[in-house]
Amino acid sequence: DADVTQTPRNRITKTGKRIMLECSQTKGHDRMYWYRQDPGLGLRLIYYSFDVKDINKGEISDGYSVSRQAQAKFSLSLESAIPNQTALYFCATSDGGNVSPLHFGNGTRLTVT
Amino acid sequence: QKEVEQNSGPLSVPEGAIASLNCTYSDRGSQSFFWYRQYSGKSPELIMFIYSNGDKEDGRFTAQLNKASQYVSLLIRDSQPSDSATYLCAVRITDSWGKLQFGAGTQVVVTP
Repeated sequence: DADVTQTPRNRITKTGKRIMLECSQTKGHDRMYWYRQDPGLGLRLIYYSFDVKDINKGEISDGYSVSRQAQAKFSLSLESAIPNQTALYFCATSDGGNVSPLHFGNGTRLTVT
Repeated sequence: QKEVEQNSGPLSVPEGAIASLNCTYSDRGSQSFFWYRQYSGKSPELIMFIYSNGDKEDGRFTAQLNKASQYVSLLIRDSQPSDSATYLCAVRITDSWGKLQFGAGTQVVVTP
């Protein structure tokens, strides 16, 4: 089983719909992140959380919100989806050490029509 | 200004040759550096990290770090077709609270 699990793997939705992407982890890491990836732009940080009570905006948080339901769960919501939110979304975790890498989930491919 | 820069490629490498990938970063205080490999449509997977100046070797991969010149590179020796992927450079910048800044990635194509 994957250490960082994202659901759904693929989602097609219509403009204006609310959608939630979910992430759960079994690594026991405190830090969780949501990134989106667009061709030619690399990975950009949407939101990050260092524990259940700590939520921080990343570089592209507009149009998104998050919820840290538990240490192991971090969900990303698009309140009213728009076509330019079509992208590949990744959840990642880290134990917070200076040389600690990010561990990524398998990604959610979201298409907004 | 992008904080982490990589050539987008594609970098075409004959099988068995050495692939050389470069990454520059703007934050002089950056402390740790990561190389990820990403196959099309898949999640990034860590290849290696480096935080001290010099070379670090792991199998066919060597990371090189030069903090004075603010670049980090990745060498792939004896390149194989399975090395064909996009390679992402990531930098843990100062005051980042653990976040990584990613470059846009370099696509590598290993030709038989």
